[in-house]
Amino acid sequence: NAGVTQTPKFRVLKTGQSMTLLCAQDMNHEYMYWYRQDPGMGLRLIHYSVGEGTTAKGEVPDGYNVSRLKKQNFLLGLESAAPSQTSVYFCASSYETATNEKLFFGSGTQLSVL
Amino acid sequence: ILNVEQSPQSLHVQEGDSTNFTCSFPSSNFYALHWYRWETAKSPEALFVMTLNGDEKKKGRISATLNTKEGYSYLYIKGSQPEDSATYLCADETGNTGKLIFGQGTTLQVKP
Repeated sequence: NAGVTQTPKFRVLKTGQSMTLLCAQDMNHEYMYWYRQDPGMGLRLIHYSVGEGTTAKGEVPDGYNVSRLKKQNFLLGLESAAPSQTSVYFCASSYETATNEKLFFGSGTQLSVL
Repeated sequence: ILNVEQSPQSLHVQEGDSTNFTCSFPSSNFYALHWYRWETAKSPEALFVMTLNGDEKKKGRISATLNTKEGYSYLYIKGSQPEDSATYLCADETGNTGKLIFGQGTTLQVKP
């Protein structure tokens, strides 16, 4: 049982380049999330999805886009990377409602933008 | 309280000490409060999900309480051990939206 899988695990980009981070879960979860982690900032919500075909903005959505075309996958895109987007990105998922169900996290993607 | 706030930011205790941290969250339209434990170089792992005012949950030496009317939750660790060293995160879901917002965390260091 793989749980939540993030790819890639590491990436270095130049300013202005684009890339897509993939999050895949095999637990049939409805809810999926993208967070970024920066020193002293905890986890900040970028975008989230409450079901296939839906997305919503989180706390820090600017510069990112997402898509949830399939229930098991949640993609995070950076169209034109900036140094401020250097961070560790975590994907998470949970069952139908987050109320009584915990989040399961992926192992993170370390992204550096030069 | 407009955001999720945790205090203290960091804490150093001796092995065997008991300790507690605070999570403050918006009390209006409360839906759920989560606690996670995050060890260095690992992913966060869930400790508790709490939804009812007055709720108390326990997992081994770790317990948590919830006051939704005043917007705070306490996490307690009894008899801290070096393996308890980690960052403890709380997260608030306001309304049945699925939008889960984390605090900045409390980093605990337990010295042998």
